[in-house]
Amino acid sequence: DIQMTQSPSFLSASVGDRVTINCKASQNINRYLNWYQQKLGEAPKLLIYNANSLQTGIPSRFSGSGSGTDFTLTISSLQPEDVATYFCLQHNSWPYTFGAGTKLELK
Amino acid sequence: EVQLVESGGGLVQPGRSLKLSCVASGFTFSNYGMNWIRQAPGKGLEWVAYISSGSSYIYYAETVKGRFTISRDNAKNTLYLQMTSLRSEDTALYYCARHVTYWGQGVMVTVSS
Repeated sequence: DIQMTQSPSFLSASVGDRVTINCKASQNINRYLNWYQQKLGEAPKLLIYNANSLQTGIPSRFSGSGSGTDFTLTISSLQPEDVATYFCLQHNSWPYTFGAGTKLELK
Repeated sequence: EVQLVESGGGLVQPGRSLKLSCVASGFTFSNYGMNWIRQAPGKGLEWVAYISSGSSYIYYAETVKGRFTISRDNAKNTLYLQMTSLRSEDTALYYCARHVTYWGQGVMVTVSS
């Protein structure tokens, strides 16, 4: 199985900060990497698909980059409504596997 | 608007069975592969099972293979997960998802005596 190592597991930042979250795959997953946002009590929401494509309706302050084994989610200017847990998912091969998640809080 | 509504969860004793349903609306259900994904309390996400649009391709996580069965009824826009020989470690919030794009709100399954 492909292991997804996500970092950091916890992040505290201020409104307006640039925030980056990383996922590293244990083997090449090409660009088959998605990023999700999950707010407390809500279903996960797709933010970025296939490493760098912004899902419809998602603010442009969210972006993704990377290919192969190393991927990054960037929030260019953190907003209060971005407080959530973020996680990555590789869908290159079965079984699909998730990162452990990054809990993002406001400083 | 894509909607996925899960049902069928609850409290069940170890070794017993339970069947989850997920009713889809807002898209052509028969065109999409579907997944079940779960999240144990305080834990990360685990993919459980996948079924292709026409049910030709089905995959399971090793942790549920031989115990869980994924199926679908395209005429009823409904996805199913038949769970048997349930264990305490199957306790989780179960989500259905349209491939990996849209997720339902989830349904809780608690396996306990």
